[in-house]
Amino acid sequence: GIQVEQSPPDLILQEGANSTLRCNFSDSVNNLQWFHQNPWGQLINLFYIPSGTKQNGRLSATTVATERYSLLYISSSQTTDSGVYFCAVRGYGQNFVFGPGTRLSVLP
Amino acid sequence: NAGVTQTPKFQVLKTGQSMTLQCAQDMNHEYMSWYRQDPGMGLRLIHYSVGAGITDQGEVPNGYNVSRSTTEDFPLRLLSAAPSQTSVYFCASSYSPTTNYGYTFGSGTRLTVV
Repeated sequence: GIQVEQSPPDLILQEGANSTLRCNFSDSVNNLQWFHQNPWGQLINLFYIPSGTKQNGRLSATTVATERYSLLYISSSQTTDSGVYFCAVRGYGQNFVFGPGTRLSVLP
Repeated sequence: NAGVTQTPKFQVLKTGQSMTLQCAQDMNHEYMSWYRQDPGMGLRLIHYSVGAGITDQGEVPNGYNVSRSTTEDFPLRLLSAAPSQTSVYFCASSYSPTTNYGYTFGSGTRLTVV
C-alpha cells in the first residue's frame, strides 16, 4: 500500500512565525487532504488538494503530484494553530492512509 | 447540530470483556469508517462501510466487528478486549468514498483495556 511520511515530526514556533510542513507519499494518489487535530483531540479537515495550490486565510497548501509531495504553509502562526497536522492520501480504488503527523506548538 | 456523534467518550474495560462503540451521523452520508489512533502512528483504518448493509475491512480489522443496518449508525464491536486495543477510536463519514467534501470526524472515544 501507499506509504506516507511527514516532516518534521515536531515543530516549536514563536507566535507570529511562519512554518512549512511536508508530506511525502510513495505512489500516485487521487485524493490528498490535510487535517488539524486540536489539543482537545478534534480532527478538522483543512484542505482537499490532490494537486495545485489552495489558500484559506493564513493557511495554504501546495501539492506536486508528479513529485509525490505536498506542503502546508502556516503564516503568522497563532497559539490556536497548535496541535497535530495530518496528511492523508488515497490511491486509486484504495482507502485513506494517514501519515504519522507533525506536532506543532506555538508559544505566546 | 449536524455531525458525527460518538459514545461513550471514555471507557475502561477489563481484558476479555466485550463492548460496542456507537457512531451516528445525521448528514445522510453513505460512507462511514472507524479509525484507531495510537501515539506516533497517525490514524489506521479498522472497518468501513459504503452504505447500509455493506461493510469491509480496513488495515487493522482483527478483534473488531461492524454492521451497518441503517444509513445513520455504524457501531464498532470489540469481541474480547485486549490491552493492545487501548487506543483512541474515531468514526468518520462522508457523502461517498470518492467525494472529497464533508469528510467529518466524531470527537473520539478513549478506550483503556486493563
